[in-house]
Amino acid sequence: TQLLEQSPQFLSIQEGENLTVYCNSSSVFSSLQWYRQEPGEGPVLLVTVVTGGEVKKLKRLTFQFGDARKDSSLHITAAQPGDTGLYLCAGDNSGGSNYKLTFGKGTLLTVNP
Amino acid sequence: DVKVTQSSRYLVKRTGEKVFLECVQDMDHENMFWYRQDPGLGLRLIYFSYDVKMKEKGDIPEGYSVSREKKERFSLILESASTNQTSMYLCASSTPSSGFDQETQYFGPGTRLLVL
Repeated sequence: TQLLEQSPQFLSIQEGENLTVYCNSSSVFSSLQWYRQEPGEGPVLLVTVVTGGEVKKLKRLTFQFGDARKDSSLHITAAQPGDTGLYLCAGDNSGGSNYKLTFGKGTLLTVNP
Repeated sequence: DVKVTQSSRYLVKRTGEKVFLECVQDMDHENMFWYRQDPGLGLRLIYFSYDVKMKEKGDIPEGYSVSREKKERFSLILESASTNQTSMYLCASSTPSSGFDQETQYFGPGTRLLVL
């Protein structure tokens, strides 16, 4: 069973602060996805990274895929209360053909006004 | 707009009852999934289906069954509900990736099930 470890598990910060959350594995993934889940809702895809070393930006969010495609990070600049939610990473180790994702347990982020 | 709907947002059942959770997607997706989400355990795959009448066990299928009679509908069945099946149940759908397009799973809002 392939595992994705996310850290930290919980993060509570003030509005305007920067933060980074991590997603690590001993396994290689052909792609890795980040989802955000707001309270009472299902996860929503934020980004997919495919190439080792790839960096993608989504407004104040920066996603990076490790060179070896075993880890990823999500950096948020100047966090806002609207960023509050559960951030999940999910890896696809099948080259996209097996439609089964392995999910991490998530990082619960709270941004206080 | 992509949409996955689940029949109930909240459900309370008694131990031993048969429970049906329904999921409908309007995107003509081939793949559909049922997960349960528990604090500290994350999302765990119960079953998935890659075509009508086709199903495969996920990581925790025990105590559950599924049905996919139509492409847009995927049902999760708890044959005899137990208290340890109290959880948040999430349905998702996707279409197989091709070329450089990676699969995206679209989730429903979830059903919070309480078994007493």
